[in-house]
Amino acid sequence: AQTVTQSQPEMSVQEAETVTLSCTYDTSESNYYLFWYKQPPSRQMILVIRQEAYKQQNATENRFSVNFQKAAKSFSLKISDSQLGDTAMYFCAFLIQGAQKLVFGQGTRLTINP
Amino acid sequence: EADIYQTPRYLVIGTGKKITLECSQTMGHDKMYWYQQDPGMELHLIHYSYGVNSTEKGDLSSESTVSRIRTEHFPLTLESARPSHTSQYLCASSGGQGGTDTQYFGPGTRLTVL
Repeated sequence: AQTVTQSQPEMSVQEAETVTLSCTYDTSESNYYLFWYKQPPSRQMILVIRQEAYKQQNATENRFSVNFQKAAKSFSLKISDSQLGDTAMYFCAFLIQGAQKLVFGQGTRLTINP
Repeated sequence: EADIYQTPRYLVIGTGKKITLECSQTMGHDKMYWYQQDPGMELHLIHYSYGVNSTEKGDLSSESTVSRIRTEHFPLTLESARPSHTSQYLCASSGGQGGTDTQYFGPGTRLTVL
């Protein structure tokens, strides 16, 4: 069975700092996708970034980038120049290609302080 | 504008009542999902659908039922609500012509059963 582990239940940084959220996963599959979702307080879950396992290049979306280490089964999210609006729960998630079940980690509650 | 909608956003109801949580999407997606999420916790898949007249149970056992009569509509029903059903229910969709496996989420329904 696939598992996703986020070892940091809570993190807090100052505005404009860079922060890295950790995620590790366990699978025997070779074709899969990894995602980071953001869930602001009482607001909608939105996709932050997506990575295909077959791609060696790390995905980036503006201030958000990932460090994908396939051999180590690690998928960390880096947020540069953090903003107050980045305050949210962040979930790492795993999906086998062609499957329907999105497996989520436990989440990291990130607070950006002014 | 393509989006995914859930109603109601909040529902407080007494034990024993029958409730239906609505989910509709205008994303052109063929696959739809229901997740259950306790506050600050990870999401668990309770139902999914590949398309019209196709429904499957997810990993988390749930007393709810779903139907998929129209591509864009995926309602969830609880025949007799109990306090243990108190949770947040998130609907998601993916796929469709030219689509990917990425799941997009609705705003959620926060259910409280007294």
